[in-house]
Amino acid sequence: DTGVSQNPRHKITKRGQNVTFRCDPISEHNRLYWYRQTLGQGPEFLTYFQNEAQLEKSRLLSDRFSAERPKGSFSTLEIQRTEQGDSAMYLCASSLGIRATGTEETQYFGPGTRLLVL
Amino acid sequence: SQQGEEDPQALSIQEGENATMNCSYKTSINNLQWYRQNSGRGLVHLILIRSNEREKHSGRLRVTLDTSKKSSSLLITASRAADTASYFCATVPPNQAGTALIFGKGTTLSVSS
Repeated sequence: DTGVSQNPRHKITKRGQNVTFRCDPISEHNRLYWYRQTLGQGPEFLTYFQNEAQLEKSRLLSDRFSAERPKGSFSTLEIQRTEQGDSAMYLCASSLGIRATGTEETQYFGPGTRLLVL
Repeated sequence: SQQGEEDPQALSIQEGENATMNCSYKTSINNLQWYRQNSGRGLVHLILIRSNEREKHSGRLRVTLDTSKKSSSLLITASRAADTASYFCATVPPNQAGTALIFGKGTTLSVSS
């Protein structure tokens, strides 16, 4: 397996436009996470899926953000009416959740999608 | 919001030297993990230490955890130019379904040959 992939790798958009990012996790992984990372900071958790169910959302995920994982495989993250403050690296990670609580899983990260909102 | 802070923010050393990075966090944890990030390969998991462990080794890496001080350190011995990257600690709260990692701000390590 080639690991977690994300597309596109870079996206430049104008303020007010909608953008959509895709994440393809490692094929047998049932858990998928989205994080956001701004310059000079560590990644911040956005949302988490177990199979197709979105189980947790951060307060960072405003109403303009929506994430889906329709068949429990790939996931999309859409940002509507982008703002300059949305400029960041959007990271996707996946893991194989075996136990009911996944506290010791290793998350495998994709290369990220770098978004620039002009 | 982010859990804690790494110290120092930036570290420059020569090849062969040891590098020590510290991480402080704010709330109770189930475990603490260290990740490396460089521009070419994204975030890579390095090592996990459980809250009931005090020290762990993996190759040239040594991690310590002091839950009473809410702090951890990562030691990289005999550093190499390829170790140049940003290093993040990430914590996992107890009793949480899934593993929403809470990252610190990171330490940028530069190893020169």
